[in-house]
Amino acid sequence: GQNIDQPTEMTATEGAIVQINCTYQTSGFNGLFWYQQHAGEAPTFLSYNVLDGLEEKGRFSSFLSRSKGYSYLLLKELQMKDSASYLCASFSGGYQKVTFGTGTTLHVIP
Amino acid sequence: IAGITQAPTSQILAAGRRMTLRCTQDMRHNAMYWYRQDLGLGLRLIHYSNTAGTTGKGEVPDGYSVSRANTDDFPLTLASAVPSQTSVYFCASSEGTSGNFQFFGPGTRLTVL
Repeated sequence: GQNIDQPTEMTATEGAIVQINCTYQTSGFNGLFWYQQHAGEAPTFLSYNVLDGLEEKGRFSSFLSRSKGYSYLLLKELQMKDSASYLCASFSGGYQKVTFGTGTTLHVIP
Repeated sequence: IAGITQAPTSQILAAGRRMTLRCTQDMRHNAMYWYRQDLGLGLRLIHYSNTAGTTGKGEVPDGYSVSRANTDDFPLTLASAVPSQTSVYFCASSEGTSGNFQFFGPGTRLTVL
């Protein structure tokens, strides 16, 4: 089966660093996605991890540990526009096998 | 502009009525998907299509049907809408090879009364 857990809500200060964790239990696991979704908008792709380790893309980095079933999204130099929901999604097998977590709502405060 | 379009943006529908949500992409992606997003439940896959002419059931397919007559279009039909189908519906597409991430359309907010 597929199961993804991530915190419901987090608050962080503008300019700070925040880490959003995600644990998964996915049979036939192939990789993990992170999406950003602003309120009332569509999810947009942030990152994709297949192998263990850290993938860095500007202010955003994503980490994966396949043996631990664990990933995190790291956001540096937080900006007010980073206030959004962050969705963790695991991928296994074919195109239809993407399972989304319920998302972590990040509030960035001045 | 390349991407995915959905129509309508929002709709209020009486229970029992038939409704088709439209989705069109111009990226020539092979795979397309329909999700519904509900508070506290996240995105759940309704139906998918790996390529034109083929469709498959996702996690919550009951009450919904799809067709894929060509690469670009993937309409979702509610044959007889019920209040539990009140949700935000997102269409998505991907290139189709394993691991390719999905592009999402802007969504359709549907309310069934």
